[in-house]
Amino acid sequence: QVQLVESGGGVVQPGRSLRLSCAASGFTFSSHVMHWVRQAPGKGLEWVAVISYDGSNKYYADSVKGRFTISRDNSKNTLYLQMNSLRAEDTAVYYCAKDAPLITIFGYFQHWGQGTLVTVSS
Amino acid sequence: QSVLTQPPSVSAAPGQKVTISCSGSSSNIGNNYVSWYQQLPGTAPKLLIYDNNKRPSGIPDRFSGSNSGTSATLDITGLQTGDEADYYCGTWDSSLSAGVFGGGTKLTVL
Repeated sequence: QVQLVESGGGVVQPGRSLRLSCAASGFTFSSHVMHWVRQAPGKGLEWVAVISYDGSNKYYADSVKGRFTISRDNSKNTLYLQMNSLRAEDTAVYYCAKDAPLITIFGYFQHWGQGTLVTVSS
Repeated sequence: QSVLTQPPSVSAAPGQKVTISCSGSSSNIGNNYVSWYQQLPGTAPKLLIYDNNKRPSGIPDRFSGSNSGTSATLDITGLQTGDEADYYCGTWDSSLSAGVFGGGTKLTVL
């Protein structure tokens, strides 16, 4: 069965960096578009970034553009989110999500991980 | 302020029907498929409806989706207390080149 396991969250000071990972199993990782979605405490869902199956195309939410970088290593079945210049408003649970088969950049969030909490605070 | 607009809350009695709306524009709902997600308290979101009106395996037919122009709707019939959750619509916005969600709707089963 599909499993997505995020890791790398924690408490970080404003302006610092953090890298999240999402280990995927149970499906052909290299064939699927992957996303990061976040949810601030008590708030709704916010899409963060998407990467195509081969890593050649990436799109970002305006709120993170220029600060966050999505990447993937298909040989390790792992998705990453490099987060730089972190701000208090980046505090959220970060979910990785797998898109549907045969999608080029966006279909829907077919499976979700359990999330990892990032807290940006001094 | 979310790109897609949902009512903050809806409520109905067990066994009744509830409708959750999701309003957008021609750059998102008007030209892209809509999906719906259920988030039970303390858990990750779960796919309920995709491509406007399709249900993944395991989702009961009490949940249905529809789409008309720049709006989408999620209907839930035969409400159960276990349906109490937050519901989100989502799609792609072709002008923003970004995924977008509604602000979420909290369903209370009275």
